[in-house]
Amino acid sequence: QVQLVQSGAEVKKPGASVKVSCKASGYTFADYHVFWVRQAPGQGLEWMGRISPNSGGTDYAQNFQGRVTMTRDTSISTAYMELNRLRSDDTAVYFCARVSHYDSGSLDYWGQGTLVTVSS
Amino acid sequence: DIQMTQSPSTLSASVGDRVTITCRASQSINRWLAWYQQKPGRAPKLLIYKASTLESGVPSRFSGSGSGTEFTLTISSLQPDDLATYYCQQYNSFWTFGQGTKVEIK
Repeated sequence: QVQLVQSGAEVKKPGASVKVSCKASGYTFADYHVFWVRQAPGQGLEWMGRISPNSGGTDYAQNFQGRVTMTRDTSISTAYMELNRLRSDDTAVYFCARVSHYDSGSLDYWGQGTLVTVSS
Repeated sequence: DIQMTQSPSTLSASVGDRVTITCRASQSINRWLAWYQQKPGRAPKLLIYKASTLESGVPSRFSGSGSGTEFTLTISSLQPDDLATYYCQQYNSFWTFGQGTKVEIK
């Protein structure tokens, strides 16, 4: 069965960087774009960007341009999201998700989420 | 950027009620719209894609409709398990989520 398993919770200081991993299993990793979505405490969902595991090509949301980097390691079916220059308002749960098998934009499988806390 | 506006922000209904949530896009997104259900502490779950196609395994009491700029998610007979927050998401031009609608059971 399809699974996306994310790395554990992180606590970071303002100005630091965080790198979250998302390991895929149960399908051909290279065939489906991986998206990253975050959710601040008590807030809604915010799209951060996506990566093509096949080509490594990325699209980033404007809000994160210059601060986020998405990469992948196809040999271990893992996608990564690195966010730099962390601020307190980056405190959120970060989700990875796979694009749907049936269309190019909905997200049919999600990781369990990784809580990133930014605090001095 | 395309903005997505959901209404209402919160709704309270009884078991068995018909419930409708609306999502409006700031410009036409054709039918490139998905709906998700999120329960507290959990990842979102895909319910509907391409505005009206039910994801496999989702109960048939959920349905979606609309095109262009106005869309609806309907729960035909609300069940206790439907307590959750529901989000719309457009994918006509990049990706944007609505702010969510919290469904409470009376």
